Amino acid sequence: SSELTQDPAVSVALGQTVRITCQGDSLRSYYASWYQQKPGQAPVLVIYGKNNRPSGIPDRFSGSSSGNTASLTITGAQAEDEADYYCNSRDSSGNHLGVFGGGTKLTVL
Amino acid sequence: EVQLVESGGGLVQPGGSLRLSCAASGFTFSSYEMNWVRQAPGKGLEWVSYISSSGSTIYYADSVKGRFTISRDNAKNSLYLQMNSLRAEDTAVYYCARVSRDGYKIDYFDYWGQGTLVTVSS
Repeated sequence: SSELTQDPAVSVALGQTVRITCQGDSLRSYYASWYQQKPGQAPVLVIYGKNNRPSGIPDRFSGSSSGNTASLTITGAQAEDEADYYCNSRDSSGNHLGVFGGGTKLTVL
Repeated sequence: EVQLVESGGGLVQPGGSLRLSCAASGFTFSSYEMNWVRQAPGKGLEWVSYISSSGSTIYYADSVKGRFTISRDNAKNSLYLQMNSLRAEDTAVYYCARVSRDGYKIDYFDYWGQGTLVTVSS
């Protein structure tokens, strides 16, 4: 398998912009997807592909990618965005979505 | 409405076995690849296993290979995870997750169940 690296914790002031990054060799070949998880709840998909949002996800969430790094940006962070965020991609075999980043705890101040 | 509902979790002794189920509804189950993903208490997400839509292709994480078996019954719209030789480190919430694809190299887990807790302890 391969690895995806995320910063363990990030903070942002209410209404400001924050970027959460995910690094890994597999990201040179495959897109990352991003998941939001609040305490006691299942993960929720927020971004997939180049920069796609599922229905119901606010447009303040966006994604980008360059080289071996994928990024999730929240423009105008809200209190309800405080959560853990995980990136995911295919593993080094390319056969399946076998690798998650370690997660980033986002605190909205 | 797409729904994934896990069941079968509980307390089991080390070395014991447990079978998890995931009941799917609201979509054509036989058309989708499925996965199991787990999360140990206070830890991050860990991919466990993958099964293709027909069940013909299967992958496992190294941590569970040889002990866990994924399967599906498309007639019953159900996904399973047979877990044998359980260890304390298998203690986690286990989620089933559906894979969707949107073009070449674009795939993602678009729906997750609520999870079922497996506790391995004496």
